[in-house]
Amino acid sequence: DADVTQTPRNRITKTGKRIMLECSQTKGHDRMYWYRQDPGLGLQLIYYSFDVKDINKGEISDGYSVSRQAQAKFSLSLESAIPNQTALYFCATSASDSGRAGTQYFGPGTRLLVL
Amino acid sequence: AQSVAQPEDQVNVAEGNPLTVKCTYSVSGNPYLFWYVQYPNRGLQFLLKYITGDNLVKGSYGFEAEFNKSQTSFHLKKPSALVSDSALYFCAVKGDYGQNFVFGPGTRLSVLP
Repeated sequence: DADVTQTPRNRITKTGKRIMLECSQTKGHDRMYWYRQDPGLGLQLIYYSFDVKDINKGEISDGYSVSRQAQAKFSLSLESAIPNQTALYFCATSASDSGRAGTQYFGPGTRLLVL
Repeated sequence: AQSVAQPEDQVNVAEGNPLTVKCTYSVSGNPYLFWYVQYPNRGLQFLLKYITGDNLVKGSYGFEAEFNKSQTSFHLKKPSALVSDSALYFCAVKGDYGQNFVFGPGTRLSVLP
């Protein structure tokens, strides 16, 4: 979905390095999410943010941190990358005014390989 | 706790035949159910959702899903499969008391010509 962009699309890094994955959206949504996808496990929620001043941990936040720089930008950082953080990472957005069951819109993903 | 099961890792169907991708769930309160599709090297795309009302929900690309409260299921269906439907399909659920959605592990659909 071109309305949600992620950079970089692919990244190879080494164990112990700090990296940042960025997400931007032009949908005007206030809610943003970071997920990781591993084969056979579906999507697991890392962090989510319901507005610029609201940051919440998801089910697998250890080893990750986030920054919500603006309504449209939500970055995910790996402070010291490790090989089991090799995965496909997705950013998603949703609108708070769509109620309890707002549709999430996903970016194209960032494929990360930690050596 | 919220959970989603997609009991089949892989579903193979012949082009033109009907397809079903299964999903069962467990939530507290009323369920909000979604289906997403993921094509290679792409993000997840929304197909359809059930919030309330008619148990048969129609979505994009000719897909539909049937909500069955007694069986806690939300199976995805299409009357006539296309080769281009081959992709990874995810079911997701949230209950009244859940803060976020839980995604199933995904089912890979292969439609054979």
